[in-house]
Amino acid sequence: KQEVTQIPAALSVPEGENLVLNCSFTDSAIYNLQWFRQDPGKGLTSLLLIQSSQREQTSGRLNASLDKSSGRSTLYIAASQPGDSATYLCAVMHGTGANSKLTFGKGITLSVRP
Amino acid sequence: DTGVSQDPRHKITKRGQNVTFRCDPISEHNRLYWYRQTLGQGPEFLTYFQNEAQLEKSRLLSDRFSAERPKGSFSTLEIQRTEQGDSAMYLCASSHRSGWMLNEQFFGPGTRLTVL
Repeated sequence: KQEVTQIPAALSVPEGENLVLNCSFTDSAIYNLQWFRQDPGKGLTSLLLIQSSQREQTSGRLNASLDKSSGRSTLYIAASQPGDSATYLCAVMHGTGANSKLTFGKGITLSVRP
Repeated sequence: DTGVSQDPRHKITKRGQNVTFRCDPISEHNRLYWYRQTLGQGPEFLTYFQNEAQLEKSRLLSDRFSAERPKGSFSTLEIQRTEQGDSAMYLCASSHRSGWMLNEQFFGPGTRLTVL
């Protein structure tokens, strides 16, 4: 059974700091990995998707890496801002053919202090 | 295209009542997913459709839950005889599968269900 872990559950940093959010998964047989952002009471916003054949993806101040063999991904946020405060979830797409689905971690709640 | 939409955004109901939620995916997307999220947890997969075919259902989806996607466009999720444990955020997502590529899922704003 695929399990996704995100530790720590919460993180508080001062504005301007570069930070790394970690994600680990137990089964390396994945199609892709997606990082999402969720604001309180809202839906999920897709940030980055990394296909299983890729090592990293970048979008603006965000960079996500994937090491499939070790079951790990990191989301790097450069020069953090108070507007980055949210919960960040990672999810892996896994399964076989028609039975593929996303399995999520519980998320990391980030607070960026002004 | 305005993305994935869900209706209603909030629903409060009494235990034992039936509720129905609607999801409109991004128009060219052939895959539609339903997830449930409780406080402090990540979303959990419930079921998904490729076009109008329901291809997988989670064991979380008891016989009180039913989902349809009649013409391969919008989808409905119905919960019969609601219980307090059904209180959660119900999220819908869509994606486009092309060949062997499983592409990015885009989520709607969710429907917050409260069962009293």
